[in-house]
This record gives sequence, C-alpha cells and structure tokens, in this order.
Amino acid sequence: AQRVTQPEKLLSVFKGAPVELKCNYSYSGSPELFWYVQYSRQRLQLLLRHISRESIKGFTADLNKGETSFHLKKPFAQEEDSAMYYCALSDIMNTGFQKLVFGTGTRLLVSP
Amino acid sequence: DAGVTQSPTHLIKTRGQQVTLRCSPKSGHDTVSWYQQALGQGPQFIFQYYEEEERQRGNFPDRFSGHQFPNYSSELNVNALLLGDSALYLCASSSFVTSRGETQYFGPGTRLLVL
Repeated sequence: AQRVTQPEKLLSVFKGAPVELKCNYSYSGSPELFWYVQYSRQRLQLLLRHISRESIKGFTADLNKGETSFHLKKPFAQEEDSAMYYCALSDIMNTGFQKLVFGTGTRLLVSP
Repeated sequence: DAGVTQSPTHLIKTRGQQVTLRCSPKSGHDTVSWYQQALGQGPQFIFQYYEEEERQRGNFPDRFSGHQFPNYSSELNVNALLLGDSALYLCASSSFVTSRGETQYFGPGTRLLVL
C-alpha cells in the first residue's frame, strides 16, 4: 500500500539555522513526490516536485530511492518559512488518473 | 484567474443531515478531486471526477457522493452526517494527462462542523 510518513509533527528552529523536514514513503513502483506548503490562513500550495529538480524559496528535496526518502532541506531558515509542510506521493492508476497520498504534515516554526 | 474556488467557506450541520459542497476548478482544468482533512491529519483522497464520471475513489463510504457538471465544476454530497465527518474538505483541480506528476491546485476548502 502507498504510504507517506512524516515523523515530526513540529520542528522548531532559529532564524538562519538549517532545516530538514523528513519524509519517507512506501510505494510499489516509481514514485512521483511533492512537497506542499500551507502558510497561515492560505490554501495548500505546491512548493516543489521531484521531477522538476528545482529549488523554490531556497528549499530543495532529493529523492533517495534506496532509503525511500524525500527530505526537504533549506540551509538557512527564514521567519517567513513558518508554515505547515506536507509531503505527498502521486499514485497513478493504470487508467492514468492520479491521486495524491499525503503525510500527516510537519509544522515548521522559525523563531527570530 | 481566481484559481480553484469553493463554497461555502464554513458550514454547521447536525447529525443525520445532508450537505452539499461546491467547487469550481482553475481555468483550463478538467479534472476535480476531493479530499477530506481531519484536524491534525493530512488530506485524504475521497474521489475524482473527469468527463462527468467518477474515475477513482478512496476509502470512503457510499454516504459520500459527487457530481461533475459540463462546465467542469463539481459537487460533493455527504448524507447521514456523522460527528466524524467534521473536517476541512478540499477540492483540487488539474488537467487530465496520462503522464505522471501533474500538479493539482487546491482550493481554500470548506470547513464542515457536525454537531
């Protein structure tokens, strides 16, 4: 069964400190993985996806198939990074339709 | 483009009642997915509509049903409401493609409280 695990409910760091939000997955196939972010009073929005291999707002994530992980990293946290972060896996059916399987989320709190 | 819109924003119902939630997809999108997000949890997939048909369904009972209209907008209906149905209901839209990694865009959600 497809599953996404985010082991930390809350991650609290100081401004300027490195950040790593953990995500592990289980999926029988070649996964497509995403990080979604939800800032206070805003809708869930895509932060990055692994197939793009891009860096958004200084965040990067590398897919490690051996460890089945897709951790989100940023070298220097900013206060505006405080938000709820969700790791998600795209489960493609044989029909081509996809659904997202989400982890339970990690709240990142960046203090001044 | 306002993106994905949902109505109403908040709703209070009592056990046993029925509720209808509405979603308009982002311009250019033809596929609508619904998710339930309980407090402290990540969104859980309910079902997905394309070409006015339910294409796939998550682990939700038949009390949850939906509809998609020719203009691609969608409704989520929940019958015989239970206290446990209290949650944030999210609508997401995308363009149907057969390749992987298509981004889903989310609406602001409808917060349902069942008393």
